Amino acid sequence: QVQLVESGGGVVQPGRSLRLSCAASGFTFSSYAMHWVRQAPGKGLEWVAIISYDGSSKYYADSVKGRFTVSKDNPKNTLYLLLNTLRPEDTAVYYCARDREVLPDNFLDYWGQGTLVTVSS
Amino acid sequence: EIVMTQSPATLSVSPGERATLSCRASQSISSKLAWYQQKPGQAPRLLMYGASTRATGIPARFSGSGSGTDFTLTISSLQSEDFAVYYCQQYNNWPSRTFGQGTKVEVK
Repeated sequence: QVQLVESGGGVVQPGRSLRLSCAASGFTFSSYAMHWVRQAPGKGLEWVAIISYDGSSKYYADSVKGRFTVSKDNPKNTLYLLLNTLRPEDTAVYYCARDREVLPDNFLDYWGQGTLVTVSS
Repeated sequence: EIVMTQSPATLSVSPGERATLSCRASQSISSKLAWYQQKPGQAPRLLMYGASTRATGIPARFSGSGSGTDFTLTISSLQSEDFAVYYCQQYNNWPSRTFGQGTKVEVK
């Protein structure tokens, strides 16, 4: 069965960096695009980034562009999100999710349980 | 950027009753809309895509409709496990995805 397990969250000071990981299993990871989505405490969902199946294309929300970097290691079945220059407003649970394409549709069909990032001095 | 607006913010419904949730896009998104359910402390779960296609394992009491800018998620007879927050999400403006702010379905 499809499993996505995030890790790497924690408490970090403003301006510092953090790298999140998402370990995938139960499907052919190299065939799927992947997303990061975040959720601030008590708030709604915010799409953060997407990376193509082979890692060649990456797109970001304006709120994180230039600060966050998404990457994908297909041999290791792992998705990453590097968070640089963190701000208090980046505090959130970060979810990884699989992109499923059933033409003409693209949606997020499996989600991990999330990892909490707290940006605070 | 496409803005997704959900209404109402909170819906109070008795078990067994019908719930109707709305989602409006700031511009036409054809039928490129998904719905997700999220329970406290859990990850979101895919309910619907293509505005009206149920995801695998989703009960028939969930139905979706709409196209263009106006969409509806209907739960025909609320079960205890259906009380949750529901989000709509557009994927017409590929690759960007935008979520609505959510509708909380609570027990009346």
